[in-house]
Amino acid sequence: SAVISQKPSRDICQRGTSLTIQCQVDSQVTMMFWYRQQPGQSLTLIATANQGSEATYESGFVIDKFPISRPNLTFSTLTVSNMSPEDSSIYLCSVEANSGNTIYFGEGSWLTVV
Amino acid sequence: GENVEQHPSTLSVQEGDSAVIKCTYSDSASNYFPWYKQELGKRPQLIIDIRSNVGEKKDQRIAVTLNKTAKHFSLHITETQPEDSAVYFCAAVLMDSSYKLIFGSGTRLLVRP
Repeated sequence: SAVISQKPSRDICQRGTSLTIQCQVDSQVTMMFWYRQQPGQSLTLIATANQGSEATYESGFVIDKFPISRPNLTFSTLTVSNMSPEDSSIYLCSVEANSGNTIYFGEGSWLTVV
Repeated sequence: GENVEQHPSTLSVQEGDSAVIKCTYSDSASNYFPWYKQELGKRPQLIIDIRSNVGEKKDQRIAVTLNKTAKHFSLHITETQPEDSAVYFCAAVLMDSSYKLIFGSGTRLLVRP
């Protein structure tokens, strides 16, 4: 399985600010994704992070609010821009492990916006 | 697009009893069905998965069954223990194409000692 590290693990953010979450994988992976889990809810896909090109966003999510970078096959960032209390969520990086064709999650980043 | 429905939303069982969680999916092309367990304050952890070319898979006390015709799959936990208490999510995805997981709404399982 892939080892996926996310930073920060938790943060309390001020309304109107932006925060960038980093996701580092211990091996090269083709597919990387960002999910959001709002309090008490299920997981929702934000976007697919594409290496060397713009991310592919799901319905309801836009690049201006959630800019994503994917400079190589082991690293990606998600920025939550101009945060409001409604952005308080767990943000999870996910990868498809080439070796097992299985999908794994990072530890998550718990964001609270005040 | 894919839609996954999960039932029940909460489930309370006595320790030692069995627990069953059921999911249905809408996209007949989906071919991979993982189950994740999420404990409070932690990330979802893959506990078992099944691919569309098999009907059942078992790993110790956990088993998953898949009915492709009816487009539903179920998680079975036998001899439940208090440490099984968590939120369980089913998901469906078309592997080798999008790899995008579509999750069910989750089941909060409580195992009473």
